[in-house]
Amino acid sequence: KQEVTQIPAALSVPEGENLVLNCSFTDSAIYNLQWFRQDPGKGLTSLLLIQSSQREQTSGRLNASLDKSSGRSTLYIAASQPGDSATYLCAVLAASGSRLTFGEGTQLTVNP
Amino acid sequence: GAVVSQHPSWVICKSGTSVKIECRSLDFQATTMFWYRQFPKQSLMLMATSNEGSKATYEQGVEKDKFLINHASLTLSTLTVTSAHPEDSSFYICSRTRTDTQYFGPGTRLTVL
Repeated sequence: KQEVTQIPAALSVPEGENLVLNCSFTDSAIYNLQWFRQDPGKGLTSLLLIQSSQREQTSGRLNASLDKSSGRSTLYIAASQPGDSATYLCAVLAASGSRLTFGEGTQLTVNP
Repeated sequence: GAVVSQHPSWVICKSGTSVKIECRSLDFQATTMFWYRQFPKQSLMLMATSNEGSKATYEQGVEKDKFLINHASLTLSTLTVTSAHPEDSSFYICSRTRTDTQYFGPGTRLTVL
């Protein structure tokens, strides 16, 4: 059974800092890995998707890496802003069309 | 813009009543949609996979007679919480997949008094 763990559970940083969120998964046989953002009381917004054959994806100030063999992914946020405050979730897809398995999330607070 | 919508966005009901939540795929005909439940400060837990024209597939521990799912068209799936109780109070989110990327609705906050 796939298990996804995110560290840290919560993170508070001053504005402008670069930061790294970690995600690990127990079964390396994944199809892809997706990072999401969730604002309080809202649905999920997809940030980045990394296919199993890829090593990283970038979008603006966000960079996600994937090391499938070690079962790890990181989400790097550059020059953090208060508007980045949210919960960040990673999820892995075992096979095309199958279910997503989510981590518990990292609650990020960026202080002005 | 949003590709998945949910209605209502929040609902408060009395214990024992039934509540229907709609999930619509706005830009794509989705043969498969997913229903998740999220309790406060917890991650999403998959409840069931909704299949157009056939029965939903429920995750272990989810009562199919309590959480009725109907996927009658390629753009609409509904989740009905029957005889709701306070412990059913939660945030319910649906999603659909396109090219293996999941797109989520805005969620429905259910509060059962």
